[in-house]
Amino acid sequence: AQKITQTQPGMFVQEKEAVTLDCTYDTSDPSYGLFWYKQPSSGEMIFLIYQGSYDQQNATEGRYSLNFQKARKSANLVISASQLGDSAMYFCAMREGDNFNKFYFGSGTKLNVKP
Amino acid sequence: ETGVTQTPRHLVMGMTNKKSLKCEQHLGHNAMYWYKQSAKKPLELMFVYNFKEQTENNSVPSRFSPECPNSSHLFLHLHTLQPEDSALYLCASSQESGGRSSYNEQFFGPGTRLTVL
Repeated sequence: AQKITQTQPGMFVQEKEAVTLDCTYDTSDPSYGLFWYKQPSSGEMIFLIYQGSYDQQNATEGRYSLNFQKARKSANLVISASQLGDSAMYFCAMREGDNFNKFYFGSGTKLNVKP
Repeated sequence: ETGVTQTPRHLVMGMTNKKSLKCEQHLGHNAMYWYKQSAKKPLELMFVYNFKEQTENNSVPSRFSPECPNSSHLFLHLHTLQPEDSALYLCASSQESGGRSSYNEQFFGPGTRLTVL
């Protein structure tokens, strides 16, 4: 079974609107961390936001927020007030347990922001 | 230089060539990683080094050979590659303190775009 599933290969959003990128994960370990990365066309992976499995509140970082629903094993990324520079690939990732070797990425969602 | 750097940024090689990818991190981290990113596939973790010791090798073919001479440098030596090895190779680093999974995000370099002819 896939550890991280991103079901939206591509998304469009109008500039200044909000968009939600979906991510579900699969683990039986009670301790894990969830990450979102942005990858522009230049190739570099840019860390956006982190959510720990024991965190009580949803993570927020500027225009990025993470809608963490533990029972559903989902960790959707919400980008508010989209900007043209947000056009990129977005990857959801999970670090499982205490083993930093177990770092899994989803297949990504390509977001296009329309002017 | 800051963050994680990778050289070269682009590499074209024949199947009989030998080449090396270089990664350097300027963040004082103690763990480094090699990932392979192919088109339409999730990132694949290839190798992990912690304090210069290799701790993970995810069934990577022997034509890929990693080397970590110190905690700041990581190499990926390539020889007799196949066309299907063409991909973006990303290096990353993190600070691992052990214990419960925590806010130890990985910092990535810009990658090396490899084409095998």
